[in-house]
Amino acid sequence: KAGVTQTPRYLIKTRGQQVTLSCSPISGHRSVSWYQQTPGQGLQFLFEYFSETQRNKGNFPGRFSGRQFSNSRSEMNVSTLELGDSALYLCASSSPERGLQETQYFGPGTRLLVL
Amino acid sequence: DQQVKQNSPSLSVQEGRISILNCDYTNSMFDYFLWYKKYPAEGPTFLISISSIKDKNEDGRFTVFLNKSAKHLSLHIVPSQPGDSAVYFCAASRVGNTPLVFGKGTRLSVIA
Repeated sequence: KAGVTQTPRYLIKTRGQQVTLSCSPISGHRSVSWYQQTPGQGLQFLFEYFSETQRNKGNFPGRFSGRQFSNSRSEMNVSTLELGDSALYLCASSSPERGLQETQYFGPGTRLLVL
Repeated sequence: DQQVKQNSPSLSVQEGRISILNCDYTNSMFDYFLWYKKYPAEGPTFLISISSIKDKNEDGRFTVFLNKSAKHLSLHIVPSQPGDSAVYFCAASRVGNTPLVFGKGTRLSVIA
């Protein structure tokens, strides 16, 4: 099976702009989670979507939003970009069919630089 | 409040020896633990997991040990190889609740 794919891999934006990142999960996986990785804070959970519904949300401001489509592909959007949003954004997918304890598989990430 | 802690930011080990990476957690509700390996500019790669009903899980050169009373887990890599050099993240979650809580990682360097 193909792994989790994320596009674009690299992105440069300026403060105040908005950005949309895309994630395609492993075929058959219906849960998609997003994480932000920064040197100071490590990997932090943003939100999780399952069957087009947000199931969990981390402690991030409302500028960070997401959605999931019927084919399980997911997008996240960051509006009014700030310098501190520069980070590696990671998407992970998992399969509830495996049971309650779900292993998440990560994509390669999108490196966002805000200038 | 850091619920998952990896207190050693870095570790150097000779090739062929054992690497032991440690992780502590504070939330007693966690019952599923995972280790991921990460190379620069790549996403984390799943290595091994353990459920709270077990105290040990092995997969090839990788073994994870869980001590629930101490809220401590460790990853053993035997024998260590230069290709194991990466950042290792410990993560924890609760049954039925998927968000992973990550430690800040330990950078392992395996020296030939």
